[in-house]
Amino acid sequence: LAKTTQPISMDSYEGQEVNITCSHNNIATNDYITWYQQFPSQGPRFIIQGYKTKVTNEVASLFIPADRKSSTLSLPRVSLSDTAVYYCLVGYPGNTGKLIFGQGTTLQVKP
Amino acid sequence: SQTIHQWPATLVQPVGSPLSLECTVEGTSNPNLYWYRQAAGRGLQLLFYSVGIGQISSEVPQNLSASRPQDRQFILSSKKLLLSDSGFYLCAWTLGQGRAYEQYFGPGTRLTVT
Repeated sequence: LAKTTQPISMDSYEGQEVNITCSHNNIATNDYITWYQQFPSQGPRFIIQGYKTKVTNEVASLFIPADRKSSTLSLPRVSLSDTAVYYCLVGYPGNTGKLIFGQGTTLQVKP
Repeated sequence: SQTIHQWPATLVQPVGSPLSLECTVEGTSNPNLYWYRQAAGRGLQLLFYSVGIGQISSEVPQNLSASRPQDRQFILSSKKLLLSDSGFYLCAWTLGQGRAYEQYFGPGTRLTVT
């Protein structure tokens, strides 16, 4: 699984757009990029997954440049309830689904 | 719709005592199942995963074991708990076949070993 690097923490204010960047220089051809969100005392929740270019769903957007060595999770107009840890994972889904979680990025949204 | 259950929600056990945590999934068949542990202030550590009944893969050598006696049941056990076994234990499921990275987690069990 490709190693990922993301900021340990970020601060934002309600209503702002938040972009969390993840570096994955050793991403392999078959690897996908997946993001999870975790609130305190809860299990992680799948947010979004992509392979290239841009993916958007009702929660977030994922931007992946052509070289795929990084990706950016974009959260539009965050609220206090978006305060959580965000994990970037890179790998091939395959059939086993082994996930290696790093430390993630702790996002603190302030009023 | 699919749901995942874990019990108990919290557990306080003395060092050296046995452990049994149970996870069940409803609304799907032949899921991949996973056990994770999260120590306080740390990331998630994959402990075991299973792609079918009786098929268990261990990721971290330790005093824990896992079993899958039925298709949608996953059990985490220990014969003798250590202080270092304290943590938040999470069970997760997914469908394989290319969607294995989209995992769904249960509510977790908070284990404190004293």
